[in-house]
Amino acid sequence: AQSVTQLDSHVSVSEGTPVLLRCNYSSSYSPSLFWYVQHPNKGLQLLLKYTSAATLVKGINGFEAEFKKSETSFHLTKPSAHMSDAAEYFCVVSEDDMRFGAGTRLTVKP
Amino acid sequence: KAGVTQTPRYLIKTRGQQVTLSCSPISGHRSVSWYQQTPGQGLQFLFEYFSETQRNKGNFPGRFSGRQFSNSRSEMNVSTLELGDSALYLCASSLHGGNQPQHFGDGTRLSIL
Repeated sequence: AQSVTQLDSHVSVSEGTPVLLRCNYSSSYSPSLFWYVQHPNKGLQLLLKYTSAATLVKGINGFEAEFKKSETSFHLTKPSAHMSDAAEYFCVVSEDDMRFGAGTRLTVKP
Repeated sequence: KAGVTQTPRYLIKTRGQQVTLSCSPISGHRSVSWYQQTPGQGLQFLFEYFSETQRNKGNFPGRFSGRQFSNSRSEMNVSTLELGDSALYLCASSLHGGNQPQHFGDGTRLSIL
């Protein structure tokens, strides 16, 4: 069965500095992987998805993630944080159904 | 294209009552999934419906049930409400379910007094 672990429950960065949100997964075979973002009192919005094509996946709002099979990781990055990036981020692994990580709260300081 | 619509947005109930939440998926989407989100347990999968049939079910008691209509709209029902049922209930739709990306509604926040 698949599972996902987000290694940080809270990440704090300054505006204009890089963002790194870490995610490790476990899966029986090649999974589909996703990152979602949730702003307060809102539903989840898809940032990007990996489905066994290119290992470096580009998403919306300048985010990207790299699939590393040898490390079973799918970390989310952004070169320069913006205040509007402050939100909760969820890493998701999917085989037959979707399994969500516990989430990482990103805080962006001015 | 309209997104996933959940009604109502907010709901207050008391213990022992029952509640029905509604979800209208994106037009053309046949898979609808329901999730419960709480600060303590995070996002937990409730069930998925596809073409009016429950295809997957999470680990929740039988008080939680759902159904899907021929137009793909879905309802979720919770009977004999408990304080612990207070949560944000999210609905998500996709074309066929499985490992396809899901599109989420803004949720129904249920508070139990």
